[in-house]
Amino acid sequence: RKEVEQDPGPFNVPEGATVAFNCTYSNSASQSFFWYRQDCRKEPKLLMSVYSSGNEDGRFTAQLNRASQYISLLIRDSKLSDSATYLCVVNNQAGTALIFGKGTTLSVSS
Amino acid sequence: GAGVSQSPSNKVTEKGKDVELRCDPISGHTALYWYRQSLGQGLEFLIYFQGNSAPDKSGLPSDRFSAERTGGSVSTLTIQRTQQEDSAVYLCASSPLTSRETQYFGPGTRLLVL
Repeated sequence: RKEVEQDPGPFNVPEGATVAFNCTYSNSASQSFFWYRQDCRKEPKLLMSVYSSGNEDGRFTAQLNRASQYISLLIRDSKLSDSATYLCVVNNQAGTALIFGKGTTLSVSS
Repeated sequence: GAGVSQSPSNKVTEKGKDVELRCDPISGHTALYWYRQSLGQGLEFLIYFQGNSAPDKSGLPSDRFSAERTGGSVSTLTIQRTQQEDSAVYLCASSPLTSRETQYFGPGTRLLVL
């Protein structure tokens, strides 16, 4: 089983749609969880951390289910500018680095 | 302020040659990471430096890869006897001691081995 697995997509949605991405991770000892965003031919940038209680940042909601080792990202009212690849990220066992999923590609069209 | 910078931005080399990639982290960041991203693949952890501690080299794919960090700041990643499968984007990231897992990435070096 890969350490972090994501559906690669692409997810093609119209502006204003709500879209959800899911991710599973294999290491039950992971303590830190994130969603990063990567635009085409650009470096990844932190979108938001994911907390056990769930957290929201504007149109973005992240949730963590430790029992199922599952992380989700919900984007409401999609904008054209949300088009990007969304990377699910957990810390490694040593806590020294981040393990990235391959990403889920989102394309928002008008 | 200035972000993480990397040089060169692009590098084309011939198989068998050595290459050096440079990373300048954000000033004051104690942790520095190297990753690589091959076409269509996720980011792969290579090496991690934290202050004066011994680096975590567990992600280096072979002994042709090495990295050093001088003076706790600038880092160089060296790939000896490059192979075509080394072609990838090499990304450097840094993070502050107080928020070690919030990593700020540089723009990367695109390496093409012919």
